[in-house]
Amino acid sequence: GNSVTQMEGPVTLSEEAFLTINCTYTATGYPSLFWYVQYPGEGLQLLLKATKADDKGSNKGFEATYRKETTSFHLEKGSVQVSDSAVYFCALISYYGNNRLAFGKGNQVVVIP
Amino acid sequence: DAGVTQSPTHLIKTRGQQVTLRCSPKSGHDTVSWYQQALGQGPQFIFQYYEEEERQRGNFPDRFSGHQYPNYSSELNVNALLLGDSALYLCASSLNTGTENTEAFFGQGTRLTVV
Repeated sequence: GNSVTQMEGPVTLSEEAFLTINCTYTATGYPSLFWYVQYPGEGLQLLLKATKADDKGSNKGFEATYRKETTSFHLEKGSVQVSDSAVYFCALISYYGNNRLAFGKGNQVVVIP
Repeated sequence: DAGVTQSPTHLIKTRGQQVTLRCSPKSGHDTVSWYQQALGQGPQFIFQYYEEEERQRGNFPDRFSGHQYPNYSSELNVNALLLGDSALYLCASSLNTGTENTEAFFGQGTRLTVV
């Protein structure tokens, strides 16, 4: 079945530091890949997406590239702000996997001023 | 354009009771999926409704049931509540294209606490 694996543990970094969150996946067929962000007490917001291999999704300074050869979709941001503090979820959906979203466990990101 | 709306936002119930959560999908969407997000975990798929029928179901007991109305809105019902049902319940809407992977839009969720 479809599954997503995110790196373990929270991420704590200083303002203006470089952020990377690793995400790898296993999927049937040709999945679309997503990063969702969840701020405290809120639902999920789509941050960016990529629908085919080698696509780069980008939004608000965040980027992720769909790497089919390594089955990865790592999230990066060059200079984080305190307002980026949130939980980030990697997810995939595949029509051939019954078209339901499969999520990773999420990573808490804390940005210190 | 209203996005996905869920009600209520917060709910406290007693163990053994029943609860109904509601969701209105984004305009133009016809498919509603429900997810359970326990504290500190990623969302887990409960089920999906399309054309007023349950099309897919995740690994949840029959105590979890749902409904979709002709206007595409949906309800999630949970019977015989357990303490472990305490979670954030998320509704996601999408458009069924029949062949393509479709993007889901999420509501703000309903925080259910079972005491």
